[in-house]
Amino acid sequence: GIQVEQSPPDLILQEGANSTLRCNFSDSVNNLQWFHQNPWGQLINLFYIPSGTKQNGRLSATTVATERYSLLYISSSQTTDSGVYFCAVGNFGNEKLTFGTGTRLTIIP
Amino acid sequence: NAGVTQTPKFQVLKTGQSMTLQCAQDMNHEYMSWYRQDPGMGLRLIHYSVGAGITDQGEVPNGYNVSRSTTEDFPLRLLSAAPSQTSVYFCASSLESGLGTGELFFGEGSRLTVL
Repeated sequence: GIQVEQSPPDLILQEGANSTLRCNFSDSVNNLQWFHQNPWGQLINLFYIPSGTKQNGRLSATTVATERYSLLYISSSQTTDSGVYFCAVGNFGNEKLTFGTGTRLTIIP
Repeated sequence: NAGVTQTPKFQVLKTGQSMTLQCAQDMNHEYMSWYRQDPGMGLRLIHYSVGAGITDQGEVPNGYNVSRSTTEDFPLRLLSAAPSQTSVYFCASSLESGLGTGELFFGEGSRLTVL
């Protein structure tokens, strides 16, 4: 199956800083999603982005499918951005979505 | 819309006991799935369903059973609980299926402890 690697595993930033989270995957994908798990354990879908670039407020994501990576950008970080960010990928016609082990982001006031 | 609803939120079992984690969605989603989350291992797929009457195994299916008799409900059954099944369980659903999973929406999770 597809291997998914996320980096860095941990990131600690001051409020207001910018950050870039990376997701590498080992095979061609037609499905890539980014999720945020808040400190209470809730999982929220941030982006469905198998290719190209999307933006939603202070967050944006870019997937370069041909080079097998995706980046999640967070600008002007707020304490509410703290939590774990997961990347998940899937192959064409495969309903099994594989998750990476996540990046834990801590924003310090 | 309530979205994806899981019950119970917390459960303690003794080894060998059985139980069912309930999952219901009111978004008319075709695709439903169960994941377990363990420290340092991300989320791993247990079972999934692409529609009523259709289920399939994920990455870690052993010890779990599922059924999908309606579009709305996708219960996960533990027939004989083991301490290795101590975990947080998430149900997720998506509108699309057949060409890969669409945008996935998660329930709030069920924390299970097996003593």
